[in-house]
Parts: sequence; structure tokens; C-alpha cells
Amino acid sequence: AQTVTQSQPEMSVQEAETVTLSCTYDTSESDYYLFWYKQPPSRQMILVIRQEAYKQQNATENRFSVNFQKAAKSFSLKISDSQLGDAAMYFCAFPNAGGTSYGKLTFGQGTILTVHP
Amino acid sequence: NAGVTQTPKFRVLKTGQSMTLLCAQDMNHEYMYWYRQDPGMGLRLIHYSVGEGTTAKGEVPDGYNVSRLKKQNFLLGLESAAPSQTSVYFCASLDLSYEQYFGPGTRLTVT
Repeated sequence: AQTVTQSQPEMSVQEAETVTLSCTYDTSESDYYLFWYKQPPSRQMILVIRQEAYKQQNATENRFSVNFQKAAKSFSLKISDSQLGDAAMYFCAFPNAGGTSYGKLTFGQGTILTVHP
Repeated sequence: NAGVTQTPKFRVLKTGQSMTLLCAQDMNHEYMYWYRQDPGMGLRLIHYSVGEGTTAKGEVPDGYNVSRLKKQNFLLGLESAAPSQTSVYFCASLDLSYEQYFGPGTRLTVT
């Protein structure tokens, strides 16, 4: 069974600074995707960034980037130039690629990010 | 293009009452999912569907039923609501790159 672990229940950062959120996972698959979702107080789940395991290059989306270490099964999210609007709960998520519950996302426990002005 | 919509957005039920949550997507996705999110936790899968007319159980299916009579709609039913079903419910649909598109959520309180 796949597992996703976020070991930081809460993190805080000063506006304009950089913060890194950690995620580790366990899987027996070799090709897969990994996602970071943001959930602001509105509750809407918003996809932040996606990484495909077969790509060695780390994904980037504007101020958001990942550090993907496949051998270590680590997938951290770096937020640069943090903004007040980045304050939210962040979830690392791993989809089932086959078999039962196809596409189902396994979520980590979440990390609450606070941004201080 | 509305994406994924859910109705209602909020609902309060008394123990033993029944209700149906409606999810609709306009992206022609085959796969659809119902999750629940309890305070301070990630989402857990209740039921899912791999296409019109098919449904399957997820991690926490007890107390819920689902139907997928039309490809664009996925209904979640509570036949006899219990306080343990107080939660926020999310519907999602899946595209070909494994990205899930989520609805805005339904906050359900069972008293």
C-alpha cells in the first residue's frame, strides 16, 4: 500500500522569504506522479505543482519548485518570495496508477503554512 | 466551463435523516471520486466510479451509497445520517495525466 508522510504539521515564514515543506512516500511502482495541493481557508483544493517520476528535472511553477529525490522517495516543495496569499494547508499527494482505486489520491497529513508580514 | 460543481454547499441534518449530494463535471472525465475531509486531516476516499453505470468502494464506504447514472454526474447518498459523518465532502474527477479536479466542497453537520 502506498503511504505519504508529511512530518511538519506547521511551518511559518516571513513574507518575501523562502520556505521548504517536506514529504516522503513509499511505493513499489517505478513510474508515477506526485502532486502538491494547496487548500486555503476557502477549502478549495488547488493543484500547485506536479512531478512525473520518470523526469529527472525538478518541476517548477513560477515561485514554486520541488526537490524530487526518487531513490530517497522524497518530494519537497520550495516556495520562494513567500506572499501572504500563500498561507494555507499544503498536502502532498500520490495517485494510484493501476489496480484497485485507480487514480485515487493518497494524501499526507498536511502542513499548515503561516506567512508573517 | 464550470469544471466540477457540488450542491449543496452547506447542510445540517439530524441523526437518522437522509440526503443526497450531487456532483457534476463538464470535462467529459471517466473517473470520479468522493472524498471526506475531517478537521486537520487529508482527504479519504469514500467511493469512486470508473465510468457511467459503475461504482466501487474506497477506504471509508460504510454508511454511504453512490450512483453514476450519467457520465457527468456522481451522487453520494447518506441513508441514515450519523454524527460521525459530520465532515467536509469533496467530489473530484480525473484527467488523463492523473490530475484530479476538485469541487468546492460540501460542509455537512449531523446533530
